[in-house]
Amino acid sequence: AQSVAQPEDQVNVAEGNPLTVKCTYSVSGNPYLFWYVQYPNRGLQFLLKYITGDNLVKGSYGFEAEFNKSQTSFHLKKPSALVSDSALYFCAVRSSNTDKLIFGTGTRLQVFP
Amino acid sequence: DAGITQSPRHKVTETGTPVTLRCHQTENHRYMYWYRQDPGHGLRLIHYSYGVKDTDKGEVSDGYSVSRSKTEDFLLTLESATSSQTSVYFCAISESRQNSNQPQHFGDGTRLSIL
Repeated sequence: AQSVAQPEDQVNVAEGNPLTVKCTYSVSGNPYLFWYVQYPNRGLQFLLKYITGDNLVKGSYGFEAEFNKSQTSFHLKKPSALVSDSALYFCAVRSSNTDKLIFGTGTRLQVFP
Repeated sequence: DAGITQSPRHKVTETGTPVTLRCHQTENHRYMYWYRQDPGHGLRLIHYSYGVKDTDKGEVSDGYSVSRSKTEDFLLTLESATSSQTSVYFCAISESRQNSNQPQHFGDGTRLSIL
């Protein structure tokens, strides 16, 4: 069975500091991994994905994520946080042999001025 | 943004009444999905469709039905709404499974309150 864990309900970081939002996964078959961001009263917006290839994936708004197969992790990172990055972030996984996307419970990122 | 429109955006109704939510897409994508979002649960799949008149259940399908008579429209129906179905409902679309490395794209949601 597929599963995704986001161990932190909330992450607080000061503006200008690096940020990390954690995600670990469990899936049979090859994993397709995604990060989404949700702003208030909006749907989820796609940030980036890992399918295959380089373990460091670059996405929208300066975000990147590092795929680590041995640790089954796909942590979201940004070198310098902005107050406007404050939002709810979701990690999601799908195996190569299914249509269904499994979401984590979400991590609220709060960036303080 | 992907062309996805959900209607209504907000609805308040009473227990026991039927409710239908609509998702309309202009992208001609084959796959459409209905999720519900609840605190502490993230997004959970209710039903999905892989073509006109082709649908399947997700992990939380009890109490919900769906229909897809046209590529662009995917309807979610609560036959007899219960308070446990108070939630925010999201529609999503994606290209065919053959391109399953493509992300799903989401509408802006319907906030449903059942009193």
